[in-house]
Amino acid sequence: DAKTTQPPSMDCAEGRAANLPCNHSTISGNEYVYWYRQIHSQGPQYIIHGLKNNETNEMASLIITEDRKSSTLILPHATLRDTAVYYCIVHKIQGAQKLVFGQGTRLTINP
Amino acid sequence: KAGVTQTPRYLIKTRGQQVTLSCSPISGHRSVSWYQQTPGQGLQFLFEYFSETQRNKGNFPGRFSGRQFSNSRSEMNVSTLELGDSALYLCASSLGYTGNTEAFFGQGTRLTVV
Repeated sequence: DAKTTQPPSMDCAEGRAANLPCNHSTISGNEYVYWYRQIHSQGPQYIIHGLKNNETNEMASLIITEDRKSSTLILPHATLRDTAVYYCIVHKIQGAQKLVFGQGTRLTINP
Repeated sequence: KAGVTQTPRYLIKTRGQQVTLSCSPISGHRSVSWYQQTPGQGLQFLFEYFSETQRNKGNFPGRFSGRQFSNSRSEMNVSTLELGDSALYLCASSLGYTGNTEAFFGQGTRLTVV
């Protein structure tokens, strides 16, 4: 699985949009981009995933660049409960469910 | 529907002992994966089971083993416990065996080896 690079930490004001970048310059054509988050002491929680088109669900939006080498997770109206470590993962379309977690981005939402 | 259930939530064992952790996946999910999380190494993949067969294995010693039953429930076992095995052990279930399905994680079992 391709490696990802994320900033170690970010801050965002409550109510503002949080934009979390991820670089995956070695991604191959058969790999999805996945985002998970982990709130302190809980299991990771799935947020969203995409292949090449932008995706949106009730939690977030995922913007993938045209060359697929980077992506941005957008939390449109961040709340204090969005404070967590966010992981960007690239994952093969076919094959095992093995997820390779990096160090992630620790996002802090400030009141 | 019920989420992924891991038991026990907390466990304290002595070095040299063995331990068995249990994971009940979401109903209908056939893939179960296990991860170890430590402050130093982060989240690391242990192994994955699908339809009672181990499909993938991470880079852990043979002391770490697992199995999956016909009802998709899974257990992992760690023998001859070492202090470094102290960690949060997480189980994840997913519907199928492809990369286009999300994984749902349990709350984990926190193992402390003394």
